[in-house]
Amino acid sequence: GENVEQHPSTLSVQEGDSAVIKCTYSDSASNYFPWYKQELGKGPQLIIDIRSNVGEKKDQRIAVTLNKTAKHFSLHITETQPEDSAVYFCAAQGSNYQLIWGAGTKLIIKP
Amino acid sequence: KAGVTQTPRYLIKTRGQQVTLSCSPISGHRSVSWYQQTPGQGLQFLFEYFSETQRNKGNFPGRFSGRQFSNSRSEMNVSTLELGDSALYLCASSLGGASYQPQHFGDGTRLSIL
Repeated sequence: GENVEQHPSTLSVQEGDSAVIKCTYSDSASNYFPWYKQELGKGPQLIIDIRSNVGEKKDQRIAVTLNKTAKHFSLHITETQPEDSAVYFCAAQGSNYQLIWGAGTKLIIKP
Repeated sequence: KAGVTQTPRYLIKTRGQQVTLSCSPISGHRSVSWYQQTPGQGLQFLFEYFSETQRNKGNFPGRFSGRQFSNSRSEMNVSTLELGDSALYLCASSLGGASYQPQHFGDGTRLSIL
């Protein structure tokens, strides 16, 4: 069936360093890939998304890259700050426009 | 523009009871999806409603049901509650339609079963 694998499950980085979270999807027909950030006590918030006709997209310190051949996409956060600490989820569009979700990555920014 | 509103924010029930959760989508959004989130389990898809019709359904038992009204507001009902139903229930809305549109989440209803 359709699935999305997300790694690592926990990522601890020094403040100011970069963080990279990777996802792999199974459905070659997927063409929409969003990333969400969930802070404690809140619902997930869309932070960036990419469609399959684009290989990379940037928004200030956040970037997403997509390799359709390998069915990989990654989230890159540069110059990490304490407020980047949260759980991050990747997702891929499945059949019937339903999103297939990764299991989440807990990002910890060490001061 | 107001975001997705879920009520109530917290709920405590006992086993065997039933519960109804409410979701008001962003104005103009016609699709509402419901998810269950438990620690370590990520987001588990329950169902999606679009224009008052259930368009997608996840792998949950029939005790979980939902509906959508003509103003796009949606309710989710869980009957015969079990301890394992304790979770954060999230609602997300999107424009819907023929091509994929981003989902926007509410802050959820935290349901605790005693």
